[in-house]
Amino acid sequence: DQQVKQNSPSLSVQEGRISILNCDYTNSMFDYFLWYKKYPAEGPTFLISISSIKDKNEDGRFTVFLNKSAKHLSLHIVPSQPGDSAVYFCAASVGTYKYIFGTGTRLKVLA
Amino acid sequence: EAGVTQFPSHSVIEKGQTVTLRCDPISGHDNLYWYRRVMGKEIKFLLHFVKESKQDESGMPNNRFLAERTGGTYSTLKVQPAELEDSGVYFCASSLLGSGSGDTQYFGPGTRLTVL
Repeated sequence: DQQVKQNSPSLSVQEGRISILNCDYTNSMFDYFLWYKKYPAEGPTFLISISSIKDKNEDGRFTVFLNKSAKHLSLHIVPSQPGDSAVYFCAASVGTYKYIFGTGTRLKVLA
Repeated sequence: EAGVTQFPSHSVIEKGQTVTLRCDPISGHDNLYWYRRVMGKEIKFLLHFVKESKQDESGMPNNRFLAERTGGTYSTLKVQPAELEDSGVYFCASSLLGSGSGDTQYFGPGTRLTVL
């Protein structure tokens, strides 16, 4: 039973356009959400996070939106760059130390 | 500042053999975690140490897996005897605060384990 779901296994976007990666969760007790980026043969790299008391967090080109009523999280990358091509993982935690990850979305930014 | 390091980067063993993975967390991070990703699926939590104590080992698959963190510094994860389904990438992560909300876990590059 997957509590964090990334239903799009892959996404292709033109350079300079917006990339939108989506994540749905089922556990309403989650209070902290994160996005990690992963390049091949490397570990996940922290990208951005959001607490459940907020609905938006922005860091440069990256913005995370949280819709608690819909149990939905999204990551916006604007503008997308070829170096953003990677696998993106959504993760959530319940005030414990255990992160629950989705299966990842592979983003390809086309030059 | 050095990140989380893991050794080896890749291990190929035969079913029934023993393998030991090592993780060195970021200096000063008392919290250390092990995760596993199997065949392109989600990254799954295995266990969490605070210093040398196991706080949560609810994700450990079975008693063939043994994690230790003697002295509260580096950690080892031993698989004995290894089975085919143990193949995957084992990630180690560390964090400073250890509280789920507001804390960030930093991951190592992983150890790719292949059991033949």
